Amino acid sequence: AQSVTQLDSQVPVFEEAPVELRCNYSSSVSVYLFWYVQYPNQGLQLLLKYLSGSTLVKGINGFEAEFNKSQTSFHLRKPSVHISDTAEYFCAVTRRTYYGQNFVFGPGTRLSVLP
Amino acid sequence: DAGVTQSPTHLIKTRGQQVTLRCSPISGHKSVSWYQQVLGQGPQFIFQYYEKEERGRGNFPDRFSARQFPNYSSELNVNALLLGDSALYLCASISTLNYGYTFGSGTRLTVV
Repeated sequence: AQSVTQLDSQVPVFEEAPVELRCNYSSSVSVYLFWYVQYPNQGLQLLLKYLSGSTLVKGINGFEAEFNKSQTSFHLRKPSVHISDTAEYFCAVTRRTYYGQNFVFGPGTRLSVLP
Repeated sequence: DAGVTQSPTHLIKTRGQQVTLRCSPISGHKSVSWYQQVLGQGPQFIFQYYEKEERGRGNFPDRFSARQFPNYSSELNVNALLLGDSALYLCASISTLNYGYTFGSGTRLTVV
């Protein structure tokens, strides 16, 4: 079984400052890693994913994440945040099956960008 | 192409009632998954369907059931509603070509 920990439930940051949202996972098998963003009253939008290859993954809206197998982490970073980045961010892991992966999500981190 | 369509967007039910939520996947996608997202928590996997058959089930009671139709749309049914069933129910449309996963905007269920 897999599990995901997001240590920070809320992260306030000023506009144009850098931000890091932390994600750690545990699994007895190899997994794929994802970050999703959820804006108020909306579904989940994929930010980026790590399947294999380079451990530094770049996603949409200027976000990137680095997979660290030894530390079982997949932290999300952005060098300069905007007000529009205010949202809930979810880290997720999955094992690929023939029918498509099903996710185990973390509890989420609420990013609040302050003017 | 249309995205994932879920209906209704909101509904309010009374404890003990039954509810049916609907999902239409992206055209060409043959697999859907359902997730429950309680306020303040991450989504939890309920079911996955592929080619009209159940291919995965999360840790939910038998009050939860689902089905997939020949056109690959899906329904999630919840019987004997409890207050704790209040949540956002998300449907995901899955491409078995590239395992791409697209979520709908969800149905907000409130049980009173």
